Amino acid sequence: GIQVEQSPPDLILQEGANSTLRCNFSDSVNNLQWFHQNPWGQLINLFYIPSGTKQNGRLSATTVATERYSLLYISSSQTTDSGVYFCAVTTSGTYKYIFGTGTRLKVLA
Amino acid sequence: NAGVTQTPKFQVLKTGQSMTLQCAQDMNHEYMSWYRQDPGMGLRLIHYSVGAGITDQGEVPNGYNVSRSTTEDFPLRLLSAAPSQTSVYFCASKVTPSGAYNEQFFGPGTRLTVL
Repeated sequence: GIQVEQSPPDLILQEGANSTLRCNFSDSVNNLQWFHQNPWGQLINLFYIPSGTKQNGRLSATTVATERYSLLYISSSQTTDSGVYFCAVTTSGTYKYIFGTGTRLKVLA
Repeated sequence: NAGVTQTPKFQVLKTGQSMTLQCAQDMNHEYMSWYRQDPGMGLRLIHYSVGAGITDQGEVPNGYNVSRSTTEDFPLRLLSAAPSQTSVYFCASKVTPSGAYNEQFFGPGTRLTVL
């Protein structure tokens, strides 16, 4: 089955810094989402982005489907950005979401 | 519009007990799914449903049953709880099984401990 790897596994930033999180996948995908799991465990949708680029405030994401990766950019980070960031994918012909292992982000005040 | 709701929020079971985790959505979504999240790990798919009366297995289905008699509800049954099933369980839904602009929405989770 498809493998989904995220890097880095852990990231510590000072408030105001920028960061890039990466999601690599081993096969073609027809669906890719980025989620933020906050410190209380809630999963929050960030982007639905099987291809192309999207922006939402300080966050933006780019998926290059032909090269099998997606990037999540966080600019001017805030302490509320802390938590774990997951990407999840599905492949053509299946309805099964496969999650990556996540990037744990801590933003220090 | 309550979105995806899950009950209970917390549950403690003894080994061998059975129970049902409830999941409901009021968005008329065709697709619903159950995941488990173990400490420090990502989510793994247990079972999913592409519509009322249709269910299928995910990555880790053993020890769990599901049914989908209505569009709104997708309960997860633990037949005989084991300590290995201690985890946080998330239910999710989306409009259709596939298609564009079709993001998945998650419930708040149920934290289950099996002693």
